[in-house]
Amino acid sequence: GEDVEQSLFLSVREGDSSVINCTYTDSSSTYLYWYKQEPGAGLQLLTYIFSNMDMKQDQRLTVLLNKKDKHLSLRIADTQTGDSAIYFCAEKKAGGYQKVTFGTGTKLQVIP
Amino acid sequence: NAGVTQTPKFQVLKTGQSMTLQCAQDMNHEYMSWYRQDPGMGLRLIHYSVGAGITDQGEVPNGYNVSRSTTEDFPLRLLSAAPSQTSVYFCASRPKGQPANTEAFFGQGTRLTVV
Repeated sequence: GEDVEQSLFLSVREGDSSVINCTYTDSSSTYLYWYKQEPGAGLQLLTYIFSNMDMKQDQRLTVLLNKKDKHLSLRIADTQTGDSAIYFCAEKKAGGYQKVTFGTGTKLQVIP
Repeated sequence: NAGVTQTPKFQVLKTGQSMTLQCAQDMNHEYMSWYRQDPGMGLRLIHYSVGAGITDQGEVPNGYNVSRSTTEDFPLRLLSAAPSQTSVYFCASRPKGQPANTEAFFGQGTRLTVV
């Protein structure tokens, strides 16, 4: 199959680190992405990683990619209440305009 | 810049009615797409366009039509609405040279209910 799976819900305390996990099935994926969706809004691209990379860091965000296990994670350091949102991972397969498959989304709740 | 603008934000239709969801972008992006978002599922691609006059089907095109007569506009038409088309619809755009070929600009969505 071509599923991208995520856990549905994650709750963390403000100031802690959050780790959102994602597994995918297509080994031909070229790029993997993380998006954030706040209530009533469209998706906002947070970051992406090329499939030949293991890690990418961007300020409070760290993306880890384990290509062997087809596992992607997003770590948010020092989580803030403004980070409360739904986070989607997505993968782009090789070839074609838009063979992007989105995960089902993980709702992150940050407790003050 | 307004970015990607979708109208309307909310709509209720009766089964069998037709309507057009509007999407406009003012960034001169070549690529535009329509997605639907259903509970418990990721976004699914309905139709996309790589430039004015060019459209193609995505993952779930049945029941929808699109056209791209200008670079700015990419309307989505529901020909005969069905309850299965109740969803939140997102329009997205990106420039041809977008790094990582990712959708980068999304509209705020149109919440459609078909009764």
